[in-house]
Amino acid sequence: EIVLTQSPGTLSLSPGERATLSCRASQSVSSSYLAWYQQKPGQAPRLLIFGASSRATGIPDRFSGSGSGTDFTLTISRLEPEDFAVYYCQQYGSSSWTFGQGTKVEIK
Amino acid sequence: QVQLVQSGAEVKKPGASVKVSCKASGYSFTGYYMHWVRQAPGQGLEWMGWINPNSGGTSSAQNFQGRLTMTRDTSISTAYMELSRLRSDDTAVYYCARITCDSASCYMDVWGRGTTVTVSS
Repeated sequence: EIVLTQSPGTLSLSPGERATLSCRASQSVSSSYLAWYQQKPGQAPRLLIFGASSRATGIPDRFSGSGSGTDFTLTISRLEPEDFAVYYCQQYGSSSWTFGQGTKVEIK
Repeated sequence: QVQLVQSGAEVKKPGASVKVSCKASGYSFTGYYMHWVRQAPGQGLEWMGWINPNSGGTSSAQNFQGRLTMTRDTSISTAYMELSRLRSDDTAVYYCARITCDSASCYMDVWGRGTTVTVSS
């Protein structure tokens, strides 16, 4: 099973700042099957990015994804108040889907 | 609109089973795989398995093999997840999520709101 490790565990930033979230895989992952989700308290996860770098429908362009192989990044260019949440990366490989443990983006 | 509506919260005793439903609307139910994901209190997301609503074929994560049964009723566009031999650490919110696959990728693009399952004696 491929293990995804996200860092940092918590990111403390102010609105307007740039957020850079990392997702590292224990072995190479197909970019086609790397996605990012946002989750707010009491809500279901929401798809942000699929195929490592494609934004889902309705996702603002301040969200961007990049990376390949074992290292992937989610960048939020300028944090808006509604962006403070937990973010998960996810991958599919070897007939199994796995999630990272999440990065919490909190208001500083 | 496309949505997944899940059944209500459940409280079960250890050793019992729970069955959660997920009713799809706004799209062709048999055209998309359905996945189940759970989240224990204060924890991250854990993939459980999927069902192909068209064929009924399933695949489960190793952690759940032998305890997880996924079924569907195409006449009412509903998927079901049944977890048996419940333990206290099965207490979690259980989500169904539709998988969309295009020519280049697959992703969970529609999620139910979740069903809280509490296992307590």
